[in-house]
Amino acid sequence: DSGVTQTPKHLITATGQRVTLRCSPRSGDLSVYWYQQSLDQGLQFLIQYYNGEERAKGNILERFSAQQFPDLHSELNLSSLELGDSALYFCASSERGHPQETQYFGPGTRLLVL
Amino acid sequence: AQTVTQSQPEMSVQEAETVTLSCTYDTSESDYYLFWYKQPPSRQMILVIRQEAYKQQNATENRFSVNFQKAAKSFSLKISDSQLGDAAMYFCAYTGNTGNQFYFGTGTSLTVIP
Repeated sequence: DSGVTQTPKHLITATGQRVTLRCSPRSGDLSVYWYQQSLDQGLQFLIQYYNGEERAKGNILERFSAQQFPDLHSELNLSSLELGDSALYFCASSERGHPQETQYFGPGTRLLVL
Repeated sequence: AQTVTQSQPEMSVQEAETVTLSCTYDTSESDYYLFWYKQPPSRQMILVIRQEAYKQQNATENRFSVNFQKAAKSFSLKISDSQLGDAAMYFCAYTGNTGNQFYFGTGTSLTVIP
């Protein structure tokens, strides 16, 4: 158990819908990362937050947005969902968000868009 | 843009033997970090080993070691005394010292044969 929690574990929805994925980092970690793992795109970095502020942005679509709240939990919002958004979405956390730090991954949220 | 290449989609090794997984990367940065992550069937991403580019000494973590060749931009993972629990997908990853973007290879699926 990494100490990172993600809810829900599974999510099934329809095209065009909007969903919110939630992540709680390890106790004491200030930085949160979001990743998408799909069959055709592999593992992709989406976005990073540190203490509520966006720190780095990767291959995140404009239909996707994220935020980190004062209690340090983070939410990833996916809207206008398409079939290709079906994937496993990971959240990870690290202490200060420095590149050399170990990132601890959550168990992931499996999203299926029908 | 930085790229990470894993040219071996699948590898197999006999239990107790040694196996080496390959990874090459492309970057114009001089300071960066490289990682190997393990993803077992549970899908949990686990950090195996980390290498700082400014360190010439190859990183070692118990049965796991790397062969880091900076000039060749090569970062291979050696697993000694392979165990059944080593069976997993292994991902090579790169991040620069600034920007905090992460890049992953496409993964190598390792099978351990009893």
